[in-house]
Amino acid sequence: GAVVSQHPSWVICKSGTSVKIECRSLDFQATTMFWYRQFPKQSLMLMATSNEGSKATYEQGVEKDKFLINHASLTLSTLTVTSAHPEDSSFYICSAGGQTGAGPQHFGDGTRLSIL
Amino acid sequence: DAKTTQPPSMDCAEGRAANLPCNHSTISGNEYVYWYRQIHSQGPQYIIHGLKNNETNEMASLIITEDRKSSTLILPHATLRDTAVYYCIVRPTGANSKLTFGKGITLSVRP
Repeated sequence: GAVVSQHPSWVICKSGTSVKIECRSLDFQATTMFWYRQFPKQSLMLMATSNEGSKATYEQGVEKDKFLINHASLTLSTLTVTSAHPEDSSFYICSAGGQTGAGPQHFGDGTRLSIL
Repeated sequence: DAKTTQPPSMDCAEGRAANLPCNHSTISGNEYVYWYRQIHSQGPQYIIHGLKNNETNEMASLIITEDRKSSTLILPHATLRDTAVYYCIVRPTGANSKLTFGKGITLSVRP
């Protein structure tokens, strides 16, 4: 079945640094990928829709200059958390769109980000 | 906002069927019902989806009422590894359409 790989699975870094998370579709091409964030004991919240070859679409309240998204190829989208602070610590998850109209999206295993 | 409502939690005995309900009374004609589950600290796992007919795969069965306003996910023989949060989501067709997660239902399978 369709596989989405996310890297790294966890990262710890100092406040003020930037962190890049990669999301790859391993066996299919994805013109659209999605980035979610999940805080402890809460549900997934969509942050942005990543579109290959064009600008990402951000959900209301998500700072586009804070969370930079690049979707330069049909199999790779990256999320960069710039100048990360402790409040950015969270579980970040990507998904790749279904190959057909009703096909399911598949999710990566997530990246746990801890900012000290 | 999520267009589905689910009870917050339920439990069942190992080896028994787990029937997880979902209400989606405002579902539109072009929206499918999807079920995902999330085991602690992992990404959501796709289970099954359907439009109006009942569906079955190796993981579960999906029963959708004739008016499409509710559905039930059935895990025929629950195991301890099925303990997870289960999300029922409605989503229109189109590869670019979003999945909006609600709070889901926490299923606890007891020995």
